[in-house]
Amino acid sequence: DIQLTQSPSFLSASVGDRVTITCRASQGITSYLAWYQQKPGKAPRLLIYAASTLQSGVPSRFSGSGSGTEFTLTISSLQPEDFATYYCQQLNSYPPFTFGPGTKVDIK
Amino acid sequence: QVQLQESGPGLVKPSETLSLTCTVSGGSVSSGSYYWNWIRQPPGKGLEWIGYIYYSGSTNYNPSLKSRVTISVDTSKSQFSLKLSSVTAADTAVYYCARGRGYDNSNGFDYWGQGTLVTVSS
Repeated sequence: DIQLTQSPSFLSASVGDRVTITCRASQGITSYLAWYQQKPGKAPRLLIYAASTLQSGVPSRFSGSGSGTEFTLTISSLQPEDFATYYCQQLNSYPPFTFGPGTKVDIK
Repeated sequence: QVQLQESGPGLVKPSETLSLTCTVSGGSVSSGSYYWNWIRQPPGKGLEWIGYIYYSGSTNYNPSLKSRVTISVDTSKSQFSLKLSSVTAADTAVYYCARGRGYDNSNGFDYWGQGTLVTVSS
């Protein structure tokens, strides 16, 4: 199985901050990586697919980059509604499709 | 607007079979453009992919669950279903159904059900 790690596991930030989350894969996954946002009690929401393609309806302050084994999700200016947990997911090699352990973004 | 809705018992006894159904509205499970997935999330933990079914009936399962999982599709009802046998407390989780896009789900899961909590307890 391809293992995904995320760093940091937790981050505390303020509204307006630039936030970067890193996802690393245990082996190369080309660009088959997605990012999701999950709020408490809600289903995950697709933000980014193919490493850098913004899902329809997602604000442009979200961006993704990377290929191979290292990927980043950036929020250019954190908004109150962005406080949530973020997961990466690899879609290159399966079964299984795997998710990262998550990064919780909290209010400073 | 595509919507997915999970349904099924919220409480299952140990050693029994968990059965859930996902009803798709605003779209069709018969479309060859999508894959129909099940994912679960134990309370307070991360996401685990269970498996998918394609409209043709072809399936793919997480090897860690493969011996206990069956996913089926009923195109006439626009539904797909999950059966997980011989459940234990470790199978307690919120179960989600989700639509996958792109060849072999390569473009991620764009629509999700709201999730349903299934508790395994006697």
